[in-house]
Amino acid sequence: GAVVSQHPSRVICKSGTSVKIECRSLDFQATTMFWYRQFPKQSLMLMATSNEGSKATYEQGVEKDKFLINHASLTLSTLTVTSAHPEDSSFYICSVLLSQTYEQYFGPGTRLTVT
Amino acid sequence: AQSVTQPDIHITVSEGASLELRCNYSYGATPYLFWYVQSPGQGLQLLLKYFSGDTLVQGIKGFEAEFKRSQSSFNLRKPSVHWSDAAEYFCALNSGNTPLVFGKGTRLSVIA
Repeated sequence: GAVVSQHPSRVICKSGTSVKIECRSLDFQATTMFWYRQFPKQSLMLMATSNEGSKATYEQGVEKDKFLINHASLTLSTLTVTSAHPEDSSFYICSVLLSQTYEQYFGPGTRLTVT
Repeated sequence: AQSVTQPDIHITVSEGASLELRCNYSYGATPYLFWYVQSPGQGLQLLLKYFSGDTLVQGIKGFEAEFKRSQSSFNLRKPSVHWSDAAEYFCALNSGNTPLVFGKGTRLSVIA
């Protein structure tokens, strides 16, 4: 399978600031990555589909101007939470799609806490 | 609409006992089905997948799952549970190169 990293693993920021989360595919070139959000003791909710070289596709209810996604290379996608608020505190997880096998491999997640 | 149902929120089993985690799905055709495991504060690890062919699929860590079209189910099994299997388990589906649709998860506790 693919090895996926995320950075940072944990971040605490003040309300109103912006935070960037990186998702890297370490051993595979990924045309497509996905960003999910997970609240405590809940399942994963898809936020957006990140396509290399094109605009991300956001799910209904996800503000594209608040959650900026950039997929500038085949190994890196970034999620920037702009003007963060306490309700944005969550666990953010990315995944890499292996298009040949349809498997998705997940990063270890980023715990965001907004104070 | 696609959906995945995991009827059991929490299951407790004794170490060494067998395990079955239930998963039912709703989908227009035959979906691609997956089981993932998540330890606290971690990402998800792929246990196994079903795309087509043999309906009994083997995965990592001694897990297997059986696809039953007539019951729209894809239950996960393990003959003998180890304490290290305690985690959250997610069943998921997609139609190939599409995002995964997840069930709500089943938390597995293992007691001595």
